[in-house]
Amino acid sequence: SQQGEEDPQALSIQEGENATMNCSYKTSINNLQWYRQNSGRGLVHLILIRSNEREKHSGRLRVTLDTSKKSSSLLITASRAADTASYFCATVAQSNFGNEKLTFGTGTRLTIIP
Amino acid sequence: EAQVTQNPRYLITVTGKKLTVTCSQNMNHEYMSWYRQDPGLGLRQIYYSMNVEVTDKGDVPEGYKVSRKEKRNFPLILESPSPNQTSLYFCASSPRDGNNSPLHFGNGTRLTVT
Repeated sequence: SQQGEEDPQALSIQEGENATMNCSYKTSINNLQWYRQNSGRGLVHLILIRSNEREKHSGRLRVTLDTSKKSSSLLITASRAADTASYFCATVAQSNFGNEKLTFGTGTRLTIIP
Repeated sequence: EAQVTQNPRYLITVTGKKLTVTCSQNMNHEYMSWYRQDPGLGLRQIYYSMNVEVTDKGDVPEGYKVSRKEKRNFPLILESPSPNQTSLYFCASSPRDGNNSPLHFGNGTRLTVT
């Protein structure tokens, strides 16, 4: 079953604008990760944020985590055409068997219009 | 260059004809995993391996086999492929357990079973 659900499913913005994608999840997590996938290619890891962290930055990327709302957001500032891709959140939580389990959402398709 | 290499990139086969998709990583990673990606379903884990000779089922293992005889290689075997195994397949590796460190993905294998 899916843990993280991204919102919106698709997003189109003009180059230079900021893009915000959200991820909501159902159960308590140990960490949350964001990945990017260019069309037909493998996923590329962007950021990992742990449950005791609230915000992390990496270049033009900013990730926030609100464990009380069970949600995370990925902000891409000053978007570029090369940012066109699908973005996935992945949550790590305790499974029913007591071990950790990584589960991917279904992604947000981001299109940057030149 | 550090990478995960999958072969082939594209494969068309017929029902029942055994096939193997190879995966190799050159980063000395302990953890390797196979995923399938289907529209609307995100990435689902098929099998994973924590180390040499240690493999475990993921969420959708039926119809698949794996082996981990060497650290660098983690082939995916379909003994008798069926049309519902038509999908985009990704191999991934990680330094440790696949949950608390980034996954490195291959570029995918698009499989069509007729």
